[in-house]
Amino acid sequence: GENVEQHPSTLSVQEGDSAVIKCTYSDSASNYFPWYKQELGKGPQLIIDIRSNVGEKKDQRIAVTLNKTAKHFSLHITETQPEDSAVYFCAASDSNYQLIWGAGTKLIIKP
Amino acid sequence: GAGVSQSPSNKVTEKGKDVELRCDPISGHTALYWYRQSLGQGLEFLIYFQGNSAPDKSGLPSDRFSAERTGGSVSTLTIQRTQQEDSAVYLCASSPRQGGYNEQFFGPGTRLTVL
Repeated sequence: GENVEQHPSTLSVQEGDSAVIKCTYSDSASNYFPWYKQELGKGPQLIIDIRSNVGEKKDQRIAVTLNKTAKHFSLHITETQPEDSAVYFCAASDSNYQLIWGAGTKLIIKP
Repeated sequence: GAGVSQSPSNKVTEKGKDVELRCDPISGHTALYWYRQSLGQGLEFLIYFQGNSAPDKSGLPSDRFSAERTGGSVSTLTIQRTQQEDSAVYLCASSPRQGGYNEQFFGPGTRLTVL
């Protein structure tokens, strides 16, 4: 079955700098890759997603890139702000009902 | 509109007791998921409901865990004879349609502590 690995587990960056979180997946049949943000005391919330027919997708300060050959995808956050501090989860799906989740990255924005 | 709600928000129980956790999904959402999140960990899939189809229970860790979804809406996760290792946040999510492509909308979770 699918396995998703996420790195790093904790990432600390200076406010205003960029942050990059990386995930790898094992099942070449996976074709949908969402990213969720979980703030303290809340459930995860979808922030951006990408499908396998697209190599990159941007939404304001966040972007996701996908390399199908290497089976990895990354989340990029530019001009980080204090409100970006949260836990970020990547996931992969082969269009079945299940998402396979990464272990999460705790992003800390230092003032 | 209203999002996914879960109750209680916190539950403290003694080892060996049974607990029921409730999830109210977004109205009209046909898919419903339960996850478990241990402290500082990722999301562990427990069970999935889709419409009137038989649920996928493949993620339930033991036969002490069970879940129901009545009338295609409210869902209850029941843990019998709770153990300390059951302590975690239990998250419920709903989705408008079947399929992994669809956004999952999460509730705030129920934090379960087993003493």
